[in-house]
Amino acid sequence: DSGVTQTPKHLITATGQRVTLRCSPRSGDLSVYWYQQSLDQGLQFLIQYYNGEERAKGNILERFSAQQFPDLHSELNLSSLELGDSALYFCASSVEAGAGETQYFGPGTRLLVL
Amino acid sequence: AQSVTQLGSHVSVSEGALVLLRCNYSSSVPPYLFWYVQYPNQGLQLLLKYTSAATLVKGINGFEAEFKKSETSFHLTKPSAHMSDAAEYFCAVSLFSSNTGKLIFGQGTTLQVKP
Repeated sequence: DSGVTQTPKHLITATGQRVTLRCSPRSGDLSVYWYQQSLDQGLQFLIQYYNGEERAKGNILERFSAQQFPDLHSELNLSSLELGDSALYFCASSVEAGAGETQYFGPGTRLLVL
Repeated sequence: AQSVTQLGSHVSVSEGALVLLRCNYSSSVPPYLFWYVQYPNQGLQLLLKYTSAATLVKGINGFEAEFKKSETSFHLTKPSAHMSDAAEYFCAVSLFSSNTGKLIFGQGTTLQVKP
């Protein structure tokens, strides 16, 4: 158990819908990362927050947004869902935000868009 | 731009045999390098990481990796494979000088261990 929790574990929805994925980092970790894992794209970095502020952005679609709240939990919002958004979404956390920090991964949310 | 290449999407070894999973990186500045393991239906778990302190890095479960700058490689090895090592392994890089710890992952290598 990494100490990072993600809810829900599974999500099935239809195209065009909007969903919210939630992540609670390890106690004491200030930085949260979101990654997407799919068969065709592999593991891709989406976005990073540090202490409530956006720190880095990767290949995140405009239909996707995220935020980190004062209690440090984070939410990833996916809207106007398409079939291709079906993937495993991981959250990871680390103590600080910089390079070399060990990231601890949650178990992931498996999203299926029908 | 930094990138990671894992040679071989699928590696099969016999139980007790040497495990060698290959990773090459491309980076214009010194990188941090990581190996993660993903068991079925689970998240990623850190095996080991290179932070420039030592070129030979020992990790959990008997794994180790050696950083070779001249070959831009960070191959993962284990002297004797166990059935429990069957999983997917990811090599990842982050930039030494960056203010973000975002990871760039390779495509992954699935390790099969035969009895």
